Amino acid sequence: KQEVTQIPAALSVPEGENLVLNCSFTDSAIYNLQWFRQDPGKGLTSLLLIQSSQREQTSGRLNASLDKSSGRSTLYIAASQPGDSATYLCAVRNIGNQFYFGTGTSLTVIP
Amino acid sequence: GAVVSQHPSRVICKSGTSVKIECRSLDFQATTMFWYRQFPKQSLMLMATSNEGSKATYEQGVEKDKFLINHASLTLSTLTVTSAHPEDSSFYICSARDPRTSEGYTFGSGTRLTVV
Repeated sequence: KQEVTQIPAALSVPEGENLVLNCSFTDSAIYNLQWFRQDPGKGLTSLLLIQSSQREQTSGRLNASLDKSSGRSTLYIAASQPGDSATYLCAVRNIGNQFYFGTGTSLTVIP
Repeated sequence: GAVVSQHPSRVICKSGTSVKIECRSLDFQATTMFWYRQFPKQSLMLMATSNEGSKATYEQGVEKDKFLINHASLTLSTLTVTSAHPEDSSFYICSARDPRTSEGYTFGSGTRLTVV
């Protein structure tokens, strides 16, 4: 069964700092990987989607990379802002169409 | 982009009663929808896959008689928590994928269920 792990579980950084969130998965037979943002008590907002054939995706200050063979993905956030504070979840979609979520990284950006 | 609407956003009910949560795809047809549950400080766990016009597929450990799923149309799936207990208190989220695009899944805004 696919297992998705995110490190660190929590991260606190000063405003303006660049940061990296890590996601690892045990089964490399994935269809795609998606990064989400979740604000407290809210649903999920999709940030970036990387297909299994892709190496990275960028959107604004966000850049996500995927190394399928090693079972790793990173989410890079440049010039962090207090509004970036949230929990970030990665999720892998298996070939069989099942979604597996990571444990999440709780990010706090200090003004 | 694809929009999934989920209602209610919050509900408080008494033990032993039933609660229905709705998940609608607003601008696309979803033959398959997914229901997740999230306990405090934990990640989302898939509960069941809802298939339009057929029975839902439940994940191991999820009681199908307790969590009734109905997917009667291509735009609506409902999750009914029957005979709710305090341990059913959780955050429930649905998702669906717009088949017109190659994008990932869109999630509803979630329902916070509190059973007292």
